Amino acid sequence: DGGITQSPKYLFRKEGQNVTLSCEQNLNHDAMYWYRQDPGQGLRLIYYSQIVNDFQKGDIAEGYSVSREKKESFPLTVTSAQKNPTAFYLCASSKDRGRTGELFFGEGSRLTVL
Amino acid sequence: AQSVTQLGSHVSVSEGALVLLRCNYSSSVPPYLFWYVQFPNQGLQLLLKYTTGATLVKGINGFEAEFKKSETSFHLTKPSAHMSDAAEYFCAVDTGGFKTIFGAGTRLFVKA
Repeated sequence: DGGITQSPKYLFRKEGQNVTLSCEQNLNHDAMYWYRQDPGQGLRLIYYSQIVNDFQKGDIAEGYSVSREKKESFPLTVTSAQKNPTAFYLCASSKDRGRTGELFFGEGSRLTVL
Repeated sequence: AQSVTQLGSHVSVSEGALVLLRCNYSSSVPPYLFWYVQFPNQGLQLLLKYTTGATLVKGINGFEAEFKKSETSFHLTKPSAHMSDAAEYFCAVDTGGFKTIFGAGTRLFVKA
């Protein structure tokens, strides 16, 4: 079945460490996104990519980095510069390069900084 | 600036009662509007969407929503709540430019 796979589902990190969250899709979608979810705040866009080897900052990109070397993959690195990294991270994709249309989400990765 | 406001962070209904989750948006261009549902520790899944055409949109599991341009609203309803409907619901608007803006979410509780 087609879908989006995020790993790991749970991750613990010590302060000062970088961590990378994996996101893989087999939907053949051009566009991919990373959102951060905090209780009571909805979803906030971190980065998005419309096409391979291209990505754009979203609303809260500081302290995060991404790459898009393959159409199927869009990993997110949470760096030590991110002041409050504990959150639920969601990867999504969409078919259209134009207006976003429907977003397809992975199951999420919960990061806890100890 | 585009925004989405969901009225009520928590809504509680009895099983079999009407579900009404409110969503208002602001947009300078004709919006695409969405409702997504999220169960604990899972991703979001689409309930329904409005792009163009008929303003009353039917979705999965008996949910529907009506786009009212004059009121800038897109409220979600279901005639009869079921225990399995308990989840968090997000209204979202896409005004173009690769940015879907989400509301803060409404957690629905269903009492037996």
